[in-house]
Amino acid sequence: EPEVTQTPSHQVTQMGQEVILRCVPISNHLYFYWYRQILGQKVEFLVSFYNNEISEKSEIFDDQFSVERPDGSNFTLKIRSTKLEDSAMYFCASTVLSQGSSSPLHFGNGTRLTVT
Amino acid sequence: AQKITQTQPGMFVQEKEAVTLDCTYDTSDPSYGLFWYKQPSSGEMIFLIYQGSYDQQNATEGRYSLNFQKARKSANLVISASQLGDSAMYFCAMRGVSGGYQKVTFGTGTKLQVIP
Repeated sequence: EPEVTQTPSHQVTQMGQEVILRCVPISNHLYFYWYRQILGQKVEFLVSFYNNEISEKSEIFDDQFSVERPDGSNFTLKIRSTKLEDSAMYFCASTVLSQGSSSPLHFGNGTRLTVT
Repeated sequence: AQKITQTQPGMFVQEKEAVTLDCTYDTSDPSYGLFWYKQPSSGEMIFLIYQGSYDQQNATEGRYSLNFQKARKSANLVISASQLGDSAMYFCAMRGVSGGYQKVTFGTGTKLQVIP
């Protein structure tokens, strides 16, 4: 069964450094997402992406964050200057959405980001 | 705006018994979808079951069923014949017609522990 893959599984970085989290969505999916989860708490929406542009973003997704689909398969989340509070599990997700609201999000296994 | 409320931070259930995890929601969207996800201690997000707001029957998927009461805006997950492997966090989520069905909003989760 096709799946969303995320790399790396764990990233440790120093405060102020830039990080890029990578995702390969399921190949026939059209909508891509980033969510984050701090220490097993609530899963928070960051951004949705469709047709090579951001379709919606949350208040968390400020100027320090950016997303890109550099080629036909990868979907990346960049944090320009990491803060301690950016430490979290970051999930990539994708969906077909061709059936309206019934399409579930398919999640990757996440990247655990630790900012020291 | 959409809001998901899960009032049970933690639940215990005896192995082989049934358990109900509560979820209420608030939305002004005329059309929406409700989802349940399971997050084991390993961290991945696993899609379990979907209920559409216009579906006449409650959704079922193996040992999972969704007790959908539209007038009360509740979408409780019922797990029958609990197994030790059901121990996990469970998240209720929804997506609505506003915003083109794109954003999925999650509740705070319920931690289920199955006791042998």
